[in-house]
Amino acid sequence: DAGVIQSPRHEVTEMGQEVTLRCKPISGHDYLFWYRQTMMRGLELLIYFNNNVPIDDSGMPEDRFSAKMPNASFSTLKIQPSEPRDSAVYFCASTPIWGYSYNEQFFGPGTRLTVL
Amino acid sequence: GQNIDQPTEMTATEGAIVQINCTYQTSGFNGLFWYQQHAGEAPTFLSYNVLDGLEEKGRFSSFLSRSKGYSYLLLKELQMKDSASYLCAVRSEDKLIFGTGTRLQVFP
Repeated sequence: DAGVIQSPRHEVTEMGQEVTLRCKPISGHDYLFWYRQTMMRGLELLIYFNNNVPIDDSGMPEDRFSAKMPNASFSTLKIQPSEPRDSAVYFCASTPIWGYSYNEQFFGPGTRLTVL
Repeated sequence: GQNIDQPTEMTATEGAIVQINCTYQTSGFNGLFWYQQHAGEAPTFLSYNVLDGLEEKGRFSSFLSRSKGYSYLLLKELQMKDSASYLCAVRSEDKLIFGTGTRLQVFP
C-alpha cells in the first residue's frame, strides 16, 4: 500500500492568497484526520471525517479554514485568505476504525506551508 | 481543559537507557499513545496503553498509571537512529490530544 498521500509537500504563498492542501487516505480507511503542527503548539487536531462526513471541526481555527471530503479517497483543506500565522506543517492521517479500542493513526508525509 | 506535559529535550549516549515522562490531565481517557517523529517526517506509532502497567515491545517499553495521570516511554540500548521527537498522545472524547513532544538526541 502507498500509505497516506499528501500534496503538495511544500507550499510557499503570499499573505491573502488561497491555499489548498490535498490528502488521499489509505484505501479502506473510514476515518480521516487533519492536523497542524507548530513548534509552539505541537500537533493539533483540526477536523476529522468518518465515511466522508465531518464529525468534529471544533479545532478549525476560524472561518478562513474549510475542509471537504467529496469521496472516500480524497480530502482537501483550504485556507482563504492565508495569513503568516498559518505557517506550519499540515498532516493528514487515516485509520480503519476509531471506536473504543486500540487503533493507530497512519500519518501522511505532511505539507510544509509558508505564508509570507 | 486538556493538558499534556513532556520535557522539551533530552540527551543520552548510545547504548544507554532513557526514560521519557508524560503527565496528562484530560476530560476523558480512552488510551495513551506514543509516536516517534524524525525531523521532517511524519509521526509513526510506537505503543499504546489503556490499562495500568508496562507494555514491552523490543527495545521500547511504555508504562501507564491512570490514577496518577502518568506515562513513560523507556528506550533501551539506544542507537543513533533513535534521535527523534517522541510524542505522547491521549485519546480523549474520540480525539487524540498530543503533547508538544520530547526531542531526544543520542550521542556516540
